[in-house]
Amino acid sequence: DVQMTQSPSSLSASVGDKVTITCQTSHDISNYLNWYQHKPGKAPELLISDASNLKTGAPSRFSGSGSGTHFIFTISSLQPEDIGTYYCQQYYNMPPMFTFGPGTKVEVK
Amino acid sequence: QVQLVQSGAEVQKPGSSVKVSCRASGGAFSPYPVGWVRQAPGQGLEWMGGIIPVFGTTNYAQKFQGRVTITADESTNTVYLELSSLTSEDTAIYYCARDVVPRGPLAAAHYWGQGTLVTVSS
Repeated sequence: DVQMTQSPSSLSASVGDKVTITCQTSHDISNYLNWYQHKPGKAPELLISDASNLKTGAPSRFSGSGSGTHFIFTISSLQPEDIGTYYCQQYYNMPPMFTFGPGTKVEVK
Repeated sequence: QVQLVQSGAEVQKPGSSVKVSCRASGGAFSPYPVGWVRQAPGQGLEWMGGIIPVFGTTNYAQKFQGRVTITADESTNTVYLELSSLTSEDTAIYYCARDVVPRGPLAAAHYWGQGTLVTVSS
């Protein structure tokens, strides 16, 4: 099974700050990695697919990069509405697996 | 616009089973994979398994093998999650989610249901 780690597990930053979250996998997964935002009381939302593709309609301050085993999610300028928990998620087709990282809780100072 | 509407909250006793539904509207149903994800209190997101309705093929997370069954009813555009032998650790919000790429396993959850709270308590 592909193991996933995220760092940091939580962070607190000021409005306007650049925020970076890292996701590492135990095996090479090419670019088969997505990023989600999850706010309390709501369903998660997909922000980035295939490591770097911003979902249509998602704010351009969100971006993703990386491939293989090391991936980065960035919020270029943190906004108050960005509070929530961010998850990376990998998918593997042989056999089909769909795994989430442990999550990073983002707070605004 | 694709919408996934889930059934309402459930309270079940330990040892029993629960069946949660997820009805899709707004576009084709059968070709697109649907998966189930849960979040227990204070925990992260956990994938349980998925189905490709047009093929009827399912795949399950190893943790839930033997205890979970995912089915689809193409006549009503509905996917079901059934979880048996419930314990208090199954208390969670259960979400269904759908991809936009047809005829393959769930790769990215583009659309989500509103969530169904399942409480397991004696």
